[in-house]
Amino acid sequence: EDKVVQSPLSLVVHEGDTVTLNCSYEVTNFRSLLWYKQEKKAPTFLFMLTSSGIEKKSGRLSSILDKKELFSILNITATQTGDSAIYLCAQGNTGNQFYFGTGTSLTVIP
Amino acid sequence: DTAVSQTPKYLVTQMGNDKSIKCEQNLGHDTMYWYKQDSKKFLKIMFSYNNKELIINETVPNRFSPKSPDKAHLNLHINSLELGDSAVYFCASSKASKGNTIYFGEGSWLTVV
Repeated sequence: EDKVVQSPLSLVVHEGDTVTLNCSYEVTNFRSLLWYKQEKKAPTFLFMLTSSGIEKKSGRLSSILDKKELFSILNITATQTGDSAIYLCAQGNTGNQFYFGTGTSLTVIP
Repeated sequence: DTAVSQTPKYLVTQMGNDKSIKCEQNLGHDTMYWYKQDSKKFLKIMFSYNNKELIINETVPNRFSPKSPDKAHLNLHINSLELGDSAVYFCASSKASKGNTIYFGEGSWLTVV
């Protein structure tokens, strides 16, 4: 059932570092690739990607999709302690189902 | 206004009991979901439901059953609770059209003792 695979599983960095989180997915009935941030409660939406090669950016966070190689990356530059969270990647398919990866746990230390 | 709301937020109950978690969305979405998040933080889909179709993850025990009185509500009923059912249960919803994301409720923390 491992439709979406994220790496690394966990990551510890210092404030100011740049991190890259990876997500690979299956092509079957692909519609969208989504990134979420989860702190203590519900996952909150970051990005939705549907087209290959088009970077989406929000402040220090950016993400891009490669539909040929079936993966996406989430970049966070100049990390802050508030970036500490679990980052979840999800594949949405044409049947309106969303399958999540195991998440990457990011810890940013001062 | 909370878009996806679920109750109760916290629930502690004994093994063998039957419990329900309620979920309501006011977004006008046509598809609702239940996800289970275990201690390893893996979000696993349990059910998805729209007016026409219930899709059940075949790994979900039949002690779990979704009940939808209308398209804005999808409740989760659990019979004969077991210790392994302890987890956070998230309700979510989305609109079944291209370019839409999935919105989560705040989660219901279930502890079975």
